[in-house]
Amino acid sequence: ELKVEQNPLFLSMQEGKNYTIYCNYSTTSDRLYWYRQDPGKSLESLFVLLSNGAVKQEGRLMASLDTKARLSTLHITAAVHDLSATYFCAGLHSPSYGGATNKLIFGTGTLLAVQP
Amino acid sequence: DGGITQSPKYLFRKEGQNVTLSCEQNLNHDAMYWYRQDPGQGLRLIYYSQIVNDFQKGDIAEGYSVSREKKESFPLTVTSAQKNPTAFYLCASSILGAGNTIYFGEGSWLTVV
Repeated sequence: ELKVEQNPLFLSMQEGKNYTIYCNYSTTSDRLYWYRQDPGKSLESLFVLLSNGAVKQEGRLMASLDTKARLSTLHITAAVHDLSATYFCAGLHSPSYGGATNKLIFGTGTLLAVQP
Repeated sequence: DGGITQSPKYLFRKEGQNVTLSCEQNLNHDAMYWYRQDPGQGLRLIYYSQIVNDFQKGDIAEGYSVSREKKESFPLTVTSAQKNPTAFYLCASSILGAGNTIYFGEGSWLTVV
């Protein structure tokens, strides 16, 4: 059974600083997703990482995937207040009989607070 | 505009009553999903459907039921058997196939008193 763990759970950082959120998963996952959620709102898709070594960047956020280490990272460069939100990673569940589904298993999220 | 519409956004119900949450999408997606989110936690899958008239249980299906009579609609009923129904419910949809982006609706807040 796929399990996904994120750390840290809470991150307070100053504007202009860099930091990384880590996402570990327990078994093989076909894909790795990153989402952003603002308070009381829905989830916004940030990245879908499809293969080992994949790196994607959008603005101040960069996500990478290492399938051998079962690790994905979300790196924040020169943080700004607008990045304050909860960030979730999610792995794609692969059933034991093979094949793939679109069942996402979510981590508990990282609450990011960027202080001015 | 294309998207996923959930209704109602806020719902209050008395304990013991069944509640149905609506989810409609006009993205022509085959797959639809229902997730539950509790405060300060991640999302957990309740049910999902990959084709009309077919659906599968997720990790926390007990106390919930769904139907998929039309491609664009996937309503969720929270029954009185669900022991702790107060939560934020999110509907999602995607194109079939692993690795496709899964899009979420705006969510429905259900409070049972």
